[in-house]
Amino acid sequence: DGGITQSPKYLFRKEGQNVTLSCEQNLNHDAMYWYRQDPGQGLRLIYYSQIVNDFQKGDIAEGYSVSREKKESFPLTVTSAQKNPTAFYLCASSTGGYNEQFFGPGTRLTVL
Amino acid sequence: SQQGEEDPQALSIQEGENATMNCSYKTSINNLQWYRQNSGRGLVHLILIRSNEREKHSGRLRVTLDTSKKSSSLLITASRAADTASYFCATEKSSGDKLTFGTGTRLAVRP
Repeated sequence: DGGITQSPKYLFRKEGQNVTLSCEQNLNHDAMYWYRQDPGQGLRLIYYSQIVNDFQKGDIAEGYSVSREKKESFPLTVTSAQKNPTAFYLCASSTGGYNEQFFGPGTRLTVL
Repeated sequence: SQQGEEDPQALSIQEGENATMNCSYKTSINNLQWYRQNSGRGLVHLILIRSNEREKHSGRLRVTLDTSKKSSSLLITASRAADTASYFCATEKSSGDKLTFGTGTRLAVRP
């Protein structure tokens, strides 16, 4: 059963804490992406990776960090430097090229 | 900044009616894609139209692209309650480039 998974579905964080969101895919896709979605808004790109061991900043990378040590995995760390981290986070993957993206179910992060 | 802007922001129709939503963008593109998002879920890819195409169909979906006006439209025919969702356009400026998403149209289909 191929697909892209994210965990956890809901995450609560105290101010000042770092948290890591998981994203795994078994689609054999080279490219992976992290987006942030705020209520009633579109998606904004945080980071993306087109190949293992390489990644680029998106439009709103400040306060976030990523790694891409394996093709299947692209975890996102929300650091304490992110001023307003409460949001819905979506991970996606694609083969690249024409860039149709496959999305995970999302993680809703709430800062208490 | 958002590349695409959808219009209208919200749309409410009766089951069986057609739904049309529009997307405008600012710069030249390689392709334009439409996605659907059910509440609280991930996005699902619906259709991709390349810059050299003018119209594309997939089941009850019809997408048009007018590169001279920098706009696209998504038509859903014979709508169903299950079509209730938010619909986003996304543009790719050049091949292999990242996608830029619009702000979405919230569609409600009344049974």
